[in-house]
Amino acid sequence: GQQLNQSPQSMFIQEGEDVSMNCTSSSIFNTWLWYKQDPGEGPVLLIALYKAGELTSNGRLTAQFGITRKDSFLNISASIPSDVGIYFCAGQVTGNTGKLIFGQGTTLQVKP
Amino acid sequence: DTAVSQTPKYLVTQMGNDKSIKCEQNLGHDTMYWYKQDSKKFLKIMFSYNNKELIINETVPNRFSPKSPDKAHLNLHINSLELGDSAVYFCASGLSGGTGELFFGEGSRLTVL
Repeated sequence: GQQLNQSPQSMFIQEGEDVSMNCTSSSIFNTWLWYKQDPGEGPVLLIALYKAGELTSNGRLTAQFGITRKDSFLNISASIPSDVGIYFCAGQVTGNTGKLIFGQGTTLQVKP
Repeated sequence: DTAVSQTPKYLVTQMGNDKSIKCEQNLGHDTMYWYKQDSKKFLKIMFSYNNKELIINETVPNRFSPKSPDKAHLNLHINSLELGDSAVYFCASGLSGGTGELFFGEGSRLTVL
């Protein structure tokens, strides 16, 4: 089946540092999304990308939909303690059923 | 107002029992989902309903039976619970047409002893 490879698996950084994580797939997706999950909560959508090559920002977050449609990255600039959590990339399977394939997640810890 | 609410938040039960998790959304979405998150935090889709009609059934054992009485509710019933069913189950909703933009509930942590 379709799989997403997300890296790194975990990151431990100092407050103020920039962070980058990425996701790759052997399959093409028509939509890439990035979600964040706080402890004890459900994932929350951060950014959705719909076009190959698209670069989108949401505050300190920037994400890109790879030109091959098989990859995406998420950057967080000037990290703060509340950025702590698990970040998931997700690709939407073609067919518009809303079915998402999730990456394994990147656990981010920020040291104040 | 909670957009997607699911109950119970925690469920501890014995192997072999039957249990249900309920989910309601007040976002006016047409499509609802159940996802399972395992101990390694991996999220996998189980079911999807659009306007009470089953759209996605991801080779889930038939001990799992979703039911959607209306488009705002999607419940999950699990028969003959097994140890491997222990996980966090997330309900989610989204617009039909599949934008991929989902709103998740807080999750229901099921522990089977």
